[in-house]
Amino acid sequence: DGGITQSPKYLFRKEGQNVTLSCEQNLNHDAMYWYRQDPGQGLRLIYYSQIVNDFQKGDIAEGYSVSREKKESFPLTVTSAQKNPTAFYLCASSTTGHSRNTIYFGEGSWLTVV
Amino acid sequence: AQTVTQSQPEMSVQEAETVTLSCTYDTSESDYYLFWYKQPPSRQMILVIRQEAYKQQNATENRFSVNFQKAAKSFSLKISDSQLGDAAMYFCAYRSGRDDKIIFGKGTRLHILP
Repeated sequence: DGGITQSPKYLFRKEGQNVTLSCEQNLNHDAMYWYRQDPGQGLRLIYYSQIVNDFQKGDIAEGYSVSREKKESFPLTVTSAQKNPTAFYLCASSTTGHSRNTIYFGEGSWLTVV
Repeated sequence: AQTVTQSQPEMSVQEAETVTLSCTYDTSESDYYLFWYKQPPSRQMILVIRQEAYKQQNATENRFSVNFQKAAKSFSLKISDSQLGDAAMYFCAYRSGRDDKIIFGKGTRLHILP
């Protein structure tokens, strides 16, 4: 079945370590997105990519990095520079152009930094 | 930069009654898309309804409808005949037609009272 797969679902890391969250889609979508969700903050955009080998910073990009080497993959690295990385992370993808009216989401990843 | 504002952090409605969730947005663009997403406790993001800005007619999906007022930059969601299964977080989202950036409001938690 077509969809978006995020892994791992739960991740624990020690403070100061970099961690990478995986996001893979088999929907042939050009656009991909990463969001962070904290209580009372809604979904805040970290990075997004409209096409392979290109991406843009969202509203809270500091302390995060991404790559888009393949159309189906958009991994997110939470670096040690991110001051408060414990959160729920959501990946999304979408078509672009005239059919950009649907957004698909993964099931999310919980990151806890201790 | 675009913004999305949901001014009601929480709302309650009696089962079978009607409730309206508010959303306002700010943009200088003319080409954009608006969405309402539902997030139950499972954290899965479920599309409720969508609206293309160029369409004047308000979108409707069964018990869900929107009041889209483009000049006022308002996009409220009306839920008719509220059901217990409607209890969730509801997020309003804006998608730019220029660069495909998608941003969300902080959400409204909807409680359904039996």
